[in-house]
Amino acid sequence: AQTVTQSQPEMSVQEAETVTLSCTYDTSESDYYLFWYKQPPSRQMILVIRQEAYKQQNATENRFSVNFQKAAKSFSLKISDSQLGDAAMYFCAYQNRDDKIIFGKGTRLHILP
Amino acid sequence: KAGVTQTPRYLIKTRGQQVTLSCSPISGHRSVSWYQQTPGQGLQFLFEYFSETQRNKGNFPGRFSGRQFSNSRSEMNVSTLELGDSALYLCASSAGRAGEQYFGPGTRLTVT
Repeated sequence: AQTVTQSQPEMSVQEAETVTLSCTYDTSESDYYLFWYKQPPSRQMILVIRQEAYKQQNATENRFSVNFQKAAKSFSLKISDSQLGDAAMYFCAYQNRDDKIIFGKGTRLHILP
Repeated sequence: KAGVTQTPRYLIKTRGQQVTLSCSPISGHRSVSWYQQTPGQGLQFLFEYFSETQRNKGNFPGRFSGRQFSNSRSEMNVSTLELGDSALYLCASSAGRAGEQYFGPGTRLTVT
């Protein structure tokens, strides 16, 4: 069965600094999708970034980028120039083409002013 | 485009009762998924409906059921409520397989 592990329950970063959130997953599939979702204190979950496993190039969305290491089954999220609005719970998620999405337990990110 | 809406937003029920939660997806989205979120277990997948058919199911007891209507709106039902069912129930819609999921604000269920 597929699993997603986020080993950092909480992290803190100084405003304007860079932070990396870790995520590892376990699967025997070769074709799948990986996501990072953000859940701010208001509770509405939103997609931050999406990576397709067959693409070697790491996805980027403005200040958010990933380091996708398929062989190592690692999918970390880097947030550059951290802003106060980045404070949230971040969930790593895995989905293969025909199955449900599996979420990690989440990492709570605090931004220190 | 209007986002995913869930009703009610808050609910308090007593053990043994049953509850029905509603989710209206984004217009044009045919897939609706339900999740239970608790501090201890995180986000757990309940089920997914696509074109009125249950396409995937998580590991929850039969007390948890759902359905989807022809307009893609979905309902989730929990019968014989237990204290452990207290959670935030999130609904998400998507345009198709492996597509981005758009989440609603959730329904906070408290069982006393």
